[in-house]
Amino acid sequence: QKEVEQDPGPLSVPEGAIVSLNCTYSNSAFQYFMWYRQYSRKGPELLMYTYSSGNKEDGRFTAQVDKSSKYISLFIRDSQPSDSATYLCASVNNAGNMLTFGGGTRLMVKP
Amino acid sequence: EPEVTQTPSHQVTQMGQEVILRCVPISNHLYFYWYRQILGQKVEFLVSFYNNEISEKSEIFDDQFSVERPDGSNFTLKIRSTKLEDSAMYFCARGTGVDTQYFGPGTRLTVL
Repeated sequence: QKEVEQDPGPLSVPEGAIVSLNCTYSNSAFQYFMWYRQYSRKGPELLMYTYSSGNKEDGRFTAQVDKSSKYISLFIRDSQPSDSATYLCASVNNAGNMLTFGGGTRLMVKP
Repeated sequence: EPEVTQTPSHQVTQMGQEVILRCVPISNHLYFYWYRQILGQKVEFLVSFYNNEISEKSEIFDDQFSVERPDGSNFTLKIRSTKLEDSAMYFCARGTGVDTQYFGPGTRLTVL
């Protein structure tokens, strides 16, 4: 069973575009949701984390969680070529021991 | 600035050999994790380590794997007898609680 799913992409957008990245999850025990950015052959870098349904904003990034539909989104405003990377969503239950990752969406922002 | 450092950055070994991967946290934390990522695949949880004990492990983490924190600082992952399918990036992470885990740069393990 795939507990966290993402469209693998690649998603190609022009510089300055608004990017929407999405995940779905199946495990109702998941309570915390994270977005990581991963450059090629590097470690995942934590971008945002959220607990409750709703929106959380940090600079150009907005994370959105809808627990009723088990849907997670990350929006990137004014996308830059340096945003080109693979974006991973991840979820964890209350015990917080084990992150379950999606397969990642590869984003390419063209100048 | 990385939350943890990992050594070596790349390890090449022969099948059947033992390898030890090391993780050095920048600051003193109690929660540590190991994950692996086979090329082109998802990041997968291996084991979590809290207060010097394993708190959870996945089915991947079989008897060939072990973790310890021998000197209270370095956090190590040992693979006793490597197989070809152990070739992957191995990431150490440290956490502050249930909601945040910060990953190191990884060790690329190549088993020949």
